[in-house]
Amino acid sequence: NAGVMQNPRHLVRRRGQEARLRCSPMKGHSHVYWYRQLPEEGLKFMVYLQKENIIDESGMPKERFSAEFPKEGPSILRIQQVVRGDSAAYFCASSPERVGYTFGSGTRLTVV
Amino acid sequence: KNEVEQSPQNLTAQEGEFITINCSYSVGISALHWLQQHPGGGIVSLFMLSSGKKKHGRLIATINIQEKHSSLHITASHPRDSAVYICAAEPNSGGSNYKLTFGKGTLLTVNP
Repeated sequence: NAGVMQNPRHLVRRRGQEARLRCSPMKGHSHVYWYRQLPEEGLKFMVYLQKENIIDESGMPKERFSAEFPKEGPSILRIQQVVRGDSAAYFCASSPERVGYTFGSGTRLTVV
Repeated sequence: KNEVEQSPQNLTAQEGEFITINCSYSVGISALHWLQQHPGGGIVSLFMLSSGKKKHGRLIATINIQEKHSSLHITASHPRDSAVYICAAEPNSGGSNYKLTFGKGTLLTVNP
């Protein structure tokens, strides 16, 4: 059981480019959560997805950010037209039900 | 004021010392999580507890629901315990328990 896999581990983007962050949940987990860790701040909830459904995206910035969890394949967090303030560590977690979270290793996004 | 407060922010110890990290929260919770994050690394779930005490190896977590306070103890600390320890409150607000509220973390450094 490979755990929650996130890739890439590190991602560098120039301002205005798009960033795509991938999260493959643990086998048997159908609930995926994305969190963002800004420098010097705690983790903050962004979005909660189940297969093909966004359950709660109340923590997502209103513009440029989107997330999906298709029937096949990993969950994707997409940031369009990145800005310096998007530089952060993005973690995803998965669970079989809405308890028992397993976290991934995170993607560190740097916008230059 | 953050809904989840941790103390201390930074902690330096000598190998073998007994470590205590504290977490106070102001929200109603269904569970309290303790997480470990190594520098540049991923997040590992250490404990999820809703009452009493849990023990895993040299780690002990306790919670006092009435006082809204939890502690993480490390016995016989070792340099490999050096990491950031994060507590996270799982709210009991009707169906949104996945919106964990995180503390800012305690950076523990254990010197040999």
